[in-house]
Amino acid sequence: AQTVTQSQPEMSVQEAETVTLSCTYDTSENNYYLFWYKQPPSRQMILVIRQEAYKQQNATENRFSVNFQKAAKSFSLKISDSQLGDTAMYFCAFMKDTGTASKLTFGTGTRLQVTL
Amino acid sequence: KAGVTQTPRYLIKTRGQQVTLSCSPISGHRSVSWYQQTPGQGLQFLFEYFSETQRNKGNFPGRFSGRQFSNSRSEMNVSTLELGDSALYLCASSLAALSYEQYFGPGTRLTVT
Repeated sequence: AQTVTQSQPEMSVQEAETVTLSCTYDTSENNYYLFWYKQPPSRQMILVIRQEAYKQQNATENRFSVNFQKAAKSFSLKISDSQLGDTAMYFCAFMKDTGTASKLTFGTGTRLQVTL
Repeated sequence: KAGVTQTPRYLIKTRGQQVTLSCSPISGHRSVSWYQQTPGQGLQFLFEYFSETQRNKGNFPGRFSGRQFSNSRSEMNVSTLELGDSALYLCASSLAALSYEQYFGPGTRLTVT
């Protein structure tokens, strides 16, 4: 079974600053996907960024980038130029790549507060 | 393109009753997954349906069931409600060929009293 660990329950960052959220996972699988999801106070879960395990290059999406260390089973999210709208719960998630499976295994989340 | 919709958004039920929640996926998406979110247990996978068949199932008791219709809309049912079933139930849809990209609905907040 896969497990996902987010060791930072809460974090705070000032607007325009950079913040990094940590995530580690445990799996015996070689092919899988990793995700960061954002859940703002309105509750709608939004996909922030995706990383395929077979890709060595770290994924980036505008101000969001990841540091994927496969051997260390680490998958951190860096948010640059933080904005007030980035305030949300951030969940790290894992999915096996079986071609058909759609089960996401989530971490416990990190509550990020962006302040003025 | 419209997003994933879930109805109702809020629901209050009494212990022992049953409840049915509905999820309409994004047009063209044939896979629908359900998750339960609680403060204590976090986000947990319930089940996934594809082409009207349950393809994956999480570790939940048999009181939790679901189905999918030919138009890909899905329902989940919880029978004999318990206080611990109070949660936010999230539905996510994905294209069959891109099952790793899931798009979530706003959720149904179920309160069991």
